[in-house]
Amino acid sequence: GQQLNQSPQSMFIQEGEDVSMNCTSSSIFNTWLWYKQEPGEGPVLLIALYKAGELTSNGRLTAQFGITRKDSFLNISASIPSDVGIYFCAGQLGYNNNDMRFGAGTRLTVKP
Amino acid sequence: EAQVTQNPRYLITVTGKKLTVTCSQNMNHEYMSWYRQDPGLGLRQIYYSMNVEVTDKGDVPEGYKVSRKEKRNFPLILESPSPNQTSLYFCASSLRRPQTINYGYTFGSGTRLTVV
Repeated sequence: GQQLNQSPQSMFIQEGEDVSMNCTSSSIFNTWLWYKQEPGEGPVLLIALYKAGELTSNGRLTAQFGITRKDSFLNISASIPSDVGIYFCAGQLGYNNNDMRFGAGTRLTVKP
Repeated sequence: EAQVTQNPRYLITVTGKKLTVTCSQNMNHEYMSWYRQDPGLGLRQIYYSMNVEVTDKGDVPEGYKVSRKEKRNFPLILESPSPNQTSLYFCASSLRRPQTINYGYTFGSGTRLTVV
């Protein structure tokens, strides 16, 4: 299936810093989703995006659906230790099929 | 509480010994799916089900079977496990019908399987 390229693979940051990560693809998606996975748990949905150019916030998290529909970005402002985890992007190709694809994840470590 | 429940959480087994990982959701979701998570590869879909008695292969179905006899349950069956099936497995469900917005998946807490 179509690949989602998620970067960076990992990040080590200081508490209080802002974080940016992104997902890109050669395919056009009609939905972008961002998940967070904490150690020992399954991924939990953070933000869902449904329209090109859409910018949506969830607390300190902000995600954008790229204008080209081939990419999406997630920003975390003023990081805190509990932001630690793996962040996954997921893209949905169409409404009438099962074509959801996940990125490989960005592992975030926040140093107090 | 709305949730997806997987069992067991941890399992160590030997090559060739049939096993079943159960998955149950209490949200009346039509759609259910199984994923495996491996380092550097993210989440890869094994099988999915759009509704009762409707199942289909995902990206990595070899060595796995599923069934969907009831809406709430979607067990994953490994008839003859092999060491390359050592992985972290997730079940997910979604309220989703064709031609509607995807509201995202609810994931279970995972099953860590080791095949020796």
